[in-house]
Amino acid sequence: GNSVTQMEGPVTLSEEAFLTINCTYTATGYPSLFWYVQYPGEGLQLLLKATKADDKGSNKGFEATYRKETTSFHLEKGSVQVSDSAVYFCAGAGNTPLVFGKGTRLSVIA
Amino acid sequence: DAGVIQSPRHEVTEMGQEVTLRCKPISGHDYLFWYRQTMMRGLELLIYFNNNVPIDDSGMPEDRFSAKMPNASFSTLKIQPSEPRDSAVYFCASSLKGARGYTFGSGTRLTVV
Repeated sequence: GNSVTQMEGPVTLSEEAFLTINCTYTATGYPSLFWYVQYPGEGLQLLLKATKADDKGSNKGFEATYRKETTSFHLEKGSVQVSDSAVYFCAGAGNTPLVFGKGTRLSVIA
Repeated sequence: DAGVIQSPRHEVTEMGQEVTLRCKPISGHDYLFWYRQTMMRGLELLIYFNNNVPIDDSGMPEDRFSAKMPNASFSTLKIQPSEPRDSAVYFCASSLKGARGYTFGSGTRLTVV
């Protein structure tokens, strides 16, 4: 079946460091891909998405590009802030409900 | 729009008791999903509805779990009887046309003692 594999955490970075969280998706065809963020005590919020190959999703300084060859959708941010500390989930879906990765906890230290 | 509204936010109950979790989706959304989140298993899809009709309940752990959606603006997830291993955060999410950009509620943290 469909599956999402993302980098295991936790990830700890200093403020202004560069962030990459890897994500790959296994499915029949080319699904839409998403990144969600979960702040402590809250539900998941959609961070960005890409619906077809070579699309780039971006929001709040975060970016991810849908790479067709590897069905990868790695999340990047050039300069993280303490307020970015959260759990990040990669997800994908074709004609079925979203399948989520296990989440990557990011802690940013001032 | 107030978003997806779940109640209660926290629930503590004794083993063997019935628990009912509630969800109000975003108006106009035609899909509703129930997820469970634990440290060990991450996010698990329990069941989802399309236009109030259950489409796939294969993720429901066992017969103690049941879900209903009597109308487009309300859904319940019931556990009877509850067990300590049911302790988790339960999320409801809704979307328009299935797989595009779910909106999640804030979740219900269930503790069964």
